[in-house]
Amino acid sequence: AQSVAQPEDQVNVAEGNPLTVKCTYSVSGNPYLFWYVQYPNRGLQFLLKYITGDNLVKGSYGFEAEFNKSQTSFHLKKPSALVSDSALYFCAVRDPLGGAGSYQLTFGKGTKLSVIP
Amino acid sequence: DGGITQSPKYLFRKEGQNVTLSCEQNLNHDAMYWYRQDPGQGLRLIYYSQIVNDFQKGDIAEGYSVSREKKESFPLTVTSAQKNPTAFYLCASSPVWEGMGDTQYFGPGTRLTVL
Repeated sequence: AQSVAQPEDQVNVAEGNPLTVKCTYSVSGNPYLFWYVQYPNRGLQFLLKYITGDNLVKGSYGFEAEFNKSQTSFHLKKPSALVSDSALYFCAVRDPLGGAGSYQLTFGKGTKLSVIP
Repeated sequence: DGGITQSPKYLFRKEGQNVTLSCEQNLNHDAMYWYRQDPGQGLRLIYYSQIVNDFQKGDIAEGYSVSREKKESFPLTVTSAQKNPTAFYLCASSPVWEGMGDTQYFGPGTRLTVL
């Protein structure tokens, strides 16, 4: 069964500093990995995904994520945080070898990012 | 939130009532999904549909029902059998032409509260 873990419920970072939101996963095969962001009382917005190829994936709003197969991680990063980046971030995984449930996305519990002015 | 609309934005239900949440998309996506979001628990899949007139149960389908009579629409009914329906409900859709790499796009959500 596929699973994803976001070990930090909350991350605080000063504006202008680099930020990292952590994600680790467990799948049978090669994972498809996604990051989404959610602002209060809104739906999820897609940021980026890793399917195959270059381990460093660039996405929307200056975010990027690095796929690390040996550490089974897909951490979200941004070189310089903005106050407007404050939101709830979700990592999600899909396991292509997941049988009948392969089209399902499994989400982490989310990490609340607070960027302090 | 793109071309996915959900209505109503807020919904209040009395105990014992069935309620239906609407989800419509104009993205020409084949697949549609319903998720439930509870604080601190992430998103959990209720039902999904990859094609018209076909749908599959997700992880927490008990107490819910769906239909997929049109490609654009995937309504979710929360029945009286759902014992704890207060939650934020999110609808999503995706193309299927990328296979497993398809991105799911989400609607703005419906917040259901049981009175």
